[in-house]
Amino acid sequence: QSVLTQPPSVSGAPGQRVTISCTGSSSNIGAGYDVHWYQQLPGTAPKVLIYGNSIRPSGVPDRFSGSKSGTSASLAISGLQAEDEADYYCQSYDSSLSGYVFGSGTKVTVL
Amino acid sequence: QVQLVQSGAEVKKPGASVKVSCKASGYTFTSYVIYWVRQAPGQRLEWMGWINAGNGNTEFSQKFQGRVTITRDTSASAAYMELSSLRSEDTAVYYCTRGSGATRHALDIWGQGTMVTVSS
Repeated sequence: QSVLTQPPSVSGAPGQRVTISCTGSSSNIGAGYDVHWYQQLPGTAPKVLIYGNSIRPSGVPDRFSGSKSGTSASLAISGLQAEDEADYYCQSYDSSLSGYVFGSGTKVTVL
Repeated sequence: QVQLVQSGAEVKKPGASVKVSCKASGYTFTSYVIYWVRQAPGQRLEWMGWINAGNGNTEFSQKFQGRVTITRDTSASAAYMELSSLRSEDTAVYYCTRGSGATRHALDIWGQGTMVTVSS
């Protein structure tokens, strides 16, 4: 079963804004654990985009933003660009599993 | 620069074991935790376990308890992940990655990945 659920795909035209949801439960996101977001380009290792729910590491464009509320979190990409085509994963900690969990992943397509 | 470099691809038969290495450079190895994450073809990322490179403490996903061993060699700034009793479902890319309190344990540096194929 999916501990953290994401939509399989989202799409948008260049310049548009898209959001990716990450739905958890009271044992992970809802328990107050941090949510991190990663971008994975085809054939490469993931790269952290957002950590601690909403903090952007240096070098990550401010087009990427994260938020968290209740048992869910979201990643927003504004001013969508062709190079944003990738898979995106959320990650948190789950107390019932006593371990880290990743979301099911979302493929972003730029139309 | 800060990097994690992993050992090369492996092909193993069912029932065998595989050991993947991860060599760190460009930072103080013992100040961070090394995590192991795998990704089966077309699947999500999956956390396997971690080792505190400073004190050697480890923790493992319940899914891999008893089958995975994670060690480190501080003199070599390297971590190792050994997975035993391999089955076809273990075919995946295995990543080592780094986390610390500074990034609230987000995984900020990743190795290039090691493809492990389990096939008879």
